Amino acid sequence: ETGVTQTPRHLVMGMTNKKSLKCEQHLGHNAMYWYKQSAKKPLELMFVYNFKEQTENNSVPSRFSPECPNSSHLFLHLHTLQPEDSALYLCASSQDERVMEEQYFGPGTRLTVT
Amino acid sequence: AQSVAQPEDQVNVAEGNPLTVKCTYSVSGNPYLFWYVQYPNRGLQFLLKYITGDNLVKGSYGFEAEFNKSQTSFHLKKPSALVSDSALYFCAVRDSKDNYGQNFVFGPGTRLSVLP
Repeated sequence: ETGVTQTPRHLVMGMTNKKSLKCEQHLGHNAMYWYKQSAKKPLELMFVYNFKEQTENNSVPSRFSPECPNSSHLFLHLHTLQPEDSALYLCASSQDERVMEEQYFGPGTRLTVT
Repeated sequence: AQSVAQPEDQVNVAEGNPLTVKCTYSVSGNPYLFWYVQYPNRGLQFLLKYITGDNLVKGSYGFEAEFNKSQTSFHLKKPSALVSDSALYFCAVRDSKDNYGQNFVFGPGTRLSVLP
């Protein structure tokens, strides 16, 4: 699709489970992002990485833990989630973090917390 | 802080007719404006952006958008709608006063339905 892949596409987990979401971009970009998309709510930026360094954490609960081992890969580690965390989690990348750069999104992981 | 509004939750248009999806914004500096489209079970797809220069910006799939500074608007347009254009459309804004990626603000989205 857009050069940004996400796995898994669907995930159902209990509140006591630990799971990870994976994102990979094949575009040679240097910035990567995690967003949360919930029904009836605007897209929420969660984390930003620029050249593997985290530059933004928008007051996200500690049960969400990002990891960026290199500029092409981004993970979101999940543990002890709540039902209200059920949402579509989108990964995106851009050339870098400058404000005029557009972002390219992956297809998302549909997360359901039971 | 910047903000963006999409005043219509839903826009219905007949196939072959022109379509407009509205977006207004508020920034303290100069705006950088973006349109994205989201098809069912897919991520957001970049359509076009305005950074500077010509107020009429052309993008993918025959879409264009007009930047109007006095009305603080950036409406998305297409001369002839297709059924396949039916999707969720997001306007987004960044402020030229921000150097980096925080404060990338998306609108709530407008659902476009093109009727055959």
